[in-house]
Amino acid sequence: SQQGEEDPQALSIQEGENATMNCSYKTSINNLQWYRQNSGRGLVHLILIRSNEREKHSGRLRVTLDTSKKSSSLLITASRAADTASYFCATEQGAQKLVFGQGTRLTINP
Amino acid sequence: GAVVSQHPSRVICKSGTSVKIECRSLDFQATTMFWYRQFPKKSLMLMATSNEGSKATYEQGVEKDKFLINHASLTLSTLTVTSAHPEDSSFYICSAPDRTASEKLFFGSGTQLSVL
Repeated sequence: SQQGEEDPQALSIQEGENATMNCSYKTSINNLQWYRQNSGRGLVHLILIRSNEREKHSGRLRVTLDTSKKSSSLLITASRAADTASYFCATEQGAQKLVFGQGTRLTINP
Repeated sequence: GAVVSQHPSRVICKSGTSVKIECRSLDFQATTMFWYRQFPKKSLMLMATSNEGSKATYEQGVEKDKFLINHASLTLSTLTVTSAHPEDSSFYICSAPDRTASEKLFFGSGTQLSVL
């Protein structure tokens, strides 16, 4: 069953603006991961945040995790056209088996 | 980082034929690989877990006789869509965890299957 639900489903912004995507999940987790997928391609791992962490940074990415609300957010700062992609959160359902959310389709307009 | 190679990237076949998709871990060994299916603008749906040297574990609702999985070596898993029909048309993606990279998965580039 799908665990993560992303919000919004689609987001279109101007280059240079910040993009925020949210993810909610239902069960307890050890960690939550974010992946990016360019159209017609495989997924690329972006960042992993553990259940005992509240915030994590990686370059222009900032991820937050609120285990009390069972939610996470991914912030991309100073967006670029190359950031156009679909972004998925994923949670583990045992033995490295990841369940992905519905995804947010992000479009960066030049 | 670890590389997972998936082949072919695109295949068009006639209804009733079987199609084999290969997934290879190029610079690491993978005792486990995962096969996902994705419909346009939708999320990934886990189909099965491929286990080296043993039978695959299928998710509920996935026909194991339709989607044959073989994990013959520590670097190769194959998914065969048997007697393909138009409703099997989809994007299939494999992934593998790298033990040294702990929980994250490395993905192949996917295979777009179109059954006519």
